[in-house]
Amino acid sequence: DQQVKQNSPSLSVQEGRISILNCDYTNSMFDYFLWYKKYPAEGPTFLISISSIKDKNEDGRFTVFLNKSAKHLSLHIVPSQPGDSAVYFCAARANRDDKIIFGKGTRLHILP
Amino acid sequence: DAGVTQSPTHLIKTRGQQVTLRCSPKSGHDTVSWYQQALGQGPQFIFQYYEEEERQRGNFPDRFSGHQFPNYSSELNVNALLLGDSALYLCASSFGLAGGILGETQYFGPGTRLLVL
Repeated sequence: DQQVKQNSPSLSVQEGRISILNCDYTNSMFDYFLWYKKYPAEGPTFLISISSIKDKNEDGRFTVFLNKSAKHLSLHIVPSQPGDSAVYFCAARANRDDKIIFGKGTRLHILP
Repeated sequence: DAGVTQSPTHLIKTRGQQVTLRCSPKSGHDTVSWYQQALGQGPQFIFQYYEEEERQRGNFPDRFSGHQFPNYSSELNVNALLLGDSALYLCASSFGLAGGILGETQYFGPGTRLLVL
């Protein structure tokens, strides 16, 4: 039972354009959402997060949007750069002390 | 400042064997969490260690056990290996118990890739 779903296994975007990665969740108890980035042969690294009391959080080129009514969040990367090519994991947590649930990931390819 | 280190990087075992994976946390961190990432899947939480005790556990059988040492390093042991245990095993460290679950304060190691034949 996938509580965090990333339905696009891969995405290709032209360098300089916007990359939009989507994530859906089923558990209405989730109160905190995170995005991780993973390069081959490395562990995931934290990218950006958002609390359920907000609908947007921005950090440089990265913005996460949360639509609680639709149980949907998205990560926007503008402008996309070659170094953004990686696997991106959406993750969620039900409360402060609960474990983090990860989606299956989306592989982002930035094309020259 | 060394980050999270894991050993070995790769491992091949046969069904029924036992395996021990090791993790050294980032300097200053005292909490270690273990994750299993099967091919094509996201990381799945196995358990978390703090003050040498297992504090939280995910949905994994008792064949998966762990240990944390006084220097905060940790081991993951898997007994009676199954083909389905083939995966990348990730260790993540953080400071403090509550911070151990806060995703943004966790630092992941590169993982140990286990293949069970």
